[in-house]
Amino acid sequence: KQEVTQIPAALSVPEGENLVLNCSFTDSAIYNLQWFRQDPGKGLTSLLLIQSSQREQTSGRLNASLDKSSGRSTLYIAASQPGDSATYLCAVGETSYDKVIFGPGTSLSVIP
Amino acid sequence: GAGVSQSPSNKVTEKGKDVELRCDPISGHTALYWYRQSLGQGLEFLIYFQGNSAPDKSGLPSDRFSAERTGGSVSTLTIQRTQQEDSAVYLCASSPGPGETQYFGPGTRLLVL
Repeated sequence: KQEVTQIPAALSVPEGENLVLNCSFTDSAIYNLQWFRQDPGKGLTSLLLIQSSQREQTSGRLNASLDKSSGRSTLYIAASQPGDSATYLCAVGETSYDKVIFGPGTSLSVIP
Repeated sequence: GAGVSQSPSNKVTEKGKDVELRCDPISGHTALYWYRQSLGQGLEFLIYFQGNSAPDKSGLPSDRFSAERTGGSVSTLTIQRTQQEDSAVYLCASSPGPGETQYFGPGTRLLVL
């Protein structure tokens, strides 16, 4: 059974710092991995989608990497801003892509 | 263009009543997903539709839950004989095809008294 974990559970950093969020999964037979952010009381916003054949994806200040063999993904946020404060979730699409398993999330707070 | 919409946005019901939640995906998206987010819990996958068919219904929490999708568009999630533990935010997402970027709706907040 696929299990997805995220470390740390919560993170507080001063504005301007670079930071890394970690996601681990137990079964490497995945179709893709997606990073989302969730703002309080709001829905989820997709940040980056990495297909299983890819190693990384970049969008602006965000870079996500995928190492399928070790069951890990990282989300790198450069030059963090207070507006980056949110909960960040990783989600693994299983090979049959009829199931998507979410991690518990990392709650990020960027202090001005 | 219009995003994923869900209705109602909030629903309060009494234990034992049936509720129906609706999801309107982005036009043209063939894949549709239902999730549940309980207070203090992570996102729980419920069911996935490709077109009108759901390959795997094992994610539904119990046989009180059912979902359907008609015309490859609107989907409804029905909960029969609601229980207090069904209280959660029910989220719907759609994607252009399986394994592609998912776009989420705002969710339906269900409270069972």
